[in-house]
Amino acid sequence: GENVEQHPSTLSVQEGDSAVIKCTYSDSASNYFPWYKQELGKRPQLIIDIRSNVGEKKDQRIAVTLNKTAKHFSLHITETQPEDSAVYFCAASWGSGGATNKLIFGTGTLLAVQP
Amino acid sequence: GAVVSQHPSRVICKSGTSVKIECRSLDFQATTMFWYRQFPKQSLMLMATSNEGSKATYEQGVEKDKFLINHASLTLSTLTVTSAHPEDSSFYICSVSPYNEQFFGPGTRLTVL
Repeated sequence: GENVEQHPSTLSVQEGDSAVIKCTYSDSASNYFPWYKQELGKRPQLIIDIRSNVGEKKDQRIAVTLNKTAKHFSLHITETQPEDSAVYFCAASWGSGGATNKLIFGTGTLLAVQP
Repeated sequence: GAVVSQHPSRVICKSGTSVKIECRSLDFQATTMFWYRQFPKQSLMLMATSNEGSKATYEQGVEKDKFLINHASLTLSTLTVTSAHPEDSSFYICSVSPYNEQFFGPGTRLTVL
């Protein structure tokens, strides 16, 4: 089955700096890669996602890149702010779309943005 | 996105008792729902896929007789933790998936004494 690895497990940056989190996946059939932000005790919130027919996607300060050949994808946060502090999870999924595609999550990265 | 609710948000029970957690899709008819478990400072682990009107599909290593799933309607799936033990204490989260995106419920914190 699919396996998703995520690095680093913890990341501390100064406010205004950039943060990069990397994930690798094992199943070449995976075609959907979301990123979630989870604050303590709360539900994961989707922040950005990318599909396998796209190499890069950007939404304001957040961007995701995908390298299908190497089977890895990365989250980039620029101009970090203290409110970006949270746990970030990558995930991978496969299928043709619809409601049945299960997600396999990475191990998570605790991001701390120091003011 | 889809709106998902869970009830209860927190539950404390004695060892050996059973606990039922409800997951409701409020604005989307969900033929499929997903149940995850999250231990402190760990990732979300998929437990099972709940299928409306049929049996749930359990992930490897998840005991189907211990974690009973019922998906009787397009808006409600329930997870029953039977004969709960302290090691079952965890954060249980459900999700629904319109298209590829998944939207999560607020989670249920289960503490077994």
